[in-house]
Amino acid sequence: GAVVSQHPSRVICKSGTSVKIECRSLDFQATTMFWYRQFPKQSLMLMATSNEGSKATYEQGVEKDKFLINHASLTLSTLTVTSAHPEDSSFYICSARGGWDRGMNTEAFFGQGTRLTVV
Amino acid sequence: AQSVTQLDSQVPVFEEAPVELRCNYSSSVSVYLFWYVQYPNQGLQLLLKYLSGSTLVKGINGFEAEFNKSQTSFHLRKPSVHISDTAEYFCAVSKSNTDKLIFGTGTRLQVFP
Repeated sequence: GAVVSQHPSRVICKSGTSVKIECRSLDFQATTMFWYRQFPKQSLMLMATSNEGSKATYEQGVEKDKFLINHASLTLSTLTVTSAHPEDSSFYICSARGGWDRGMNTEAFFGQGTRLTVV
Repeated sequence: AQSVTQLDSQVPVFEEAPVELRCNYSSSVSVYLFWYVQYPNQGLQLLLKYLSGSTLVKGINGFEAEFNKSQTSFHLRKPSVHISDTAEYFCAVSKSNTDKLIFGTGTRLQVFP
């Protein structure tokens, strides 16, 4: 299957600072990328959907000014957690889908996840 | 709106025993159905998916699932589990014409020796 690389895998930051998480599709063009948040022993909650070259669509209850998503190219999307606080500590996972022309629209490929700890 | 229900939060089973992880969904439109596995501190790996056609879907690692439209279910099965199958399993649904995956709450499969 296709490969989605997420970086970093773990990050610890001080309260009040910002953290950027990268999500790259290594061998396909990701027309759509998704960002999820997972609390311990819980399911994945979709935060936002981003299409290349356009603004992200955020789910209800997700602060778009706090969780900045950029999808500037077909292989890279970034999630920036601004002014992070301890309650933002979580496991963040990205996934990517290709376009219909690649026959990849029906499956989402997931990154390895990023464990964010805000101290 | 779509939703996914995984009835069992935890399923303990002995090695080499069969297992079934249950998943029910609700949707007013036709759907795509997926099962993913998550190992600790890792992302999700696709086990299998149902898009159309045969209702019995075979996936990786010996897993299979059966789509039952009348019961709105997509239960995951394996005839003989291994210790290495210990992980979290998520059922998910997606509309045919949108990209979002809606996940169930997950089932923790614990395989004992």
